[in-house]
Amino acid sequence: AQKVTQAQTEISVVEKEDVTLDCVYETRDTTYYLFWYKQPPSGELVFLIRRNSFDEQNEISGRYSWNFQKSTSSFNFTITASQVVDSAVYFCALSGEDSSYKLIFGSGTRLLVRP
Amino acid sequence: DTGVSQDPRHKITKRGQNVTFRCDPISEHNRLYWYRQTLGQGPEFLTYFQNEAQLEKSRLLSDRFSAERPKGSFSTLEIQRTEQGDSAMYLCASSFQPGQGIYEQYFGPGTRLTVT
Repeated sequence: AQKVTQAQTEISVVEKEDVTLDCVYETRDTTYYLFWYKQPPSGELVFLIRRNSFDEQNEISGRYSWNFQKSTSSFNFTITASQVVDSAVYFCALSGEDSSYKLIFGSGTRLLVRP
Repeated sequence: DTGVSQDPRHKITKRGQNVTFRCDPISEHNRLYWYRQTLGQGPEFLTYFQNEAQLEKSRLLSDRFSAERPKGSFSTLEIQRTEQGDSAMYLCASSFQPGQGIYEQYFGPGTRLTVT
C-alpha cells in the first residue's frame, strides 16, 4: 500500500526564519513520483514540484528547496527566509503504478509565518 | 490562460436532495480526476477519466455517487440522496498524460458542499 506521512501538523515561525516541512512516504513501486502542493487560505491547491524516483538531485527554486532521499523515503521541503505570504497548508503527495497514477496525499502541514 | 474551473463554488442542500457539480479541465488535458477533501485532511481520490472513459473508482465512491465525462471534455459529479457525511470540498484536477510517466495535476478551486 502507498502512504504519505506529514508528522508536523502545524508550524509557526517568525518572518525571515528558515523552515523545513517533513514528508515520509511508503511505496512498493520502483518507479514513483513525489509532489508538493500549497493550499493558501483561498483553498485552491497550487502545484509546486514533481520529482521522479530516479532523480535524487536536490532542487532549488528561489527561496524553495527540496531534499529527496530514497534511503530514508523522505522528500522534505525547505523555505528559506520565510514570508507572510508563505502561510498556507502544504501537502506532500505520492503517485505510482501501484496507485494507478492517482495522487496519495499526506494530511498536510499548516505553516503560519508571523510578521 | 484558463485553469481548471468548477461550478458552483458553494452548495448548501438539505439531506436527501440530489446535487450535481461541474468541472471544466484545462483544454488540452486528457485526464480528469475528482477528489474529496474534509477539514484538516488531504484530498482523497474518488475517480478519474482518461478522455471519456472512467478508468477507476475509489471505494469511497458509494452507489449514490456517479461521474461522467461526455466527449472527454467537461465532467459532472452527481450525488444522490445526500447525507450529512457528504459535506466536504469536492476538488477536480486535470493533467496531460502523453504516455508513460506521471505528470502534475492542476486543481480547480473546488466546490464546497454543505448538507444540512
